[in-house]
Amino acid sequence: GDSVTQMEGPVTLSEEAFLTINCTYTATGYPSLFWYVQYPGEGLQLLLKATKADDKGSNKGFEATYRKETTSFHLEKGSVQVSDSAVYFCALSYNTDKLIFGTGTRLQVFP
Amino acid sequence: GAVVSQHPSRVICKSGTSVKIECRSLDFQATTMFWYRQFPKQSLMLMATSNEGSKATYEQGVEKDKFLINHASLTLSTLTVTSAHPEDSSFYICSASGVNTDTQYFGPGTRLTVL
Repeated sequence: GDSVTQMEGPVTLSEEAFLTINCTYTATGYPSLFWYVQYPGEGLQLLLKATKADDKGSNKGFEATYRKETTSFHLEKGSVQVSDSAVYFCALSYNTDKLIFGTGTRLQVFP
Repeated sequence: GAVVSQHPSRVICKSGTSVKIECRSLDFQATTMFWYRQFPKQSLMLMATSNEGSKATYEQGVEKDKFLINHASLTLSTLTVTSAHPEDSSFYICSASGVNTDTQYFGPGTRLTVL
């Protein structure tokens, strides 16, 4: 079946460091891919998405490119801030009604 | 942006009792609501999808008689865990989507602990 695999956390970085959170997927078709973020005490928020191969989603300095050849959708940011500390979830969906999530990766950014 | 609330945020109950969790869309009409369950260090697992005025569609392996879902209005869905047992202890999260959006908006979650 379809699934999403994320790197285990926590990922601990100093402020202004480069961030990569790996995400790979297994899919029987051609899903849309998403990154959601959950800040402490809040609900999940859509961070970015890509709907087809080679699309790049971007938001708030975060980027991820839909790589069909490597079945990956890695999340990157050039310079993280303390306020980026949160749990990040990679997900896929064939239609926007049903999301399949990865386990989530906690990011901790220290000053 | 669209806001979804959940109530209560935490609940502790005794084994054998029933617990109701509410999910509300505060500023939009939610034609579809979703209920997820999350175990520590694990993925969010979709339990069921509900459309306003219709019976919920449950995922394979989810007991519909144990997890009762009602979506009686365009702003409210409820999840009732009946005859709760310690293995039902978990983090329950709802989300909602509206007519003219392809995005799910998530609530903050409810932590259920069954003693």
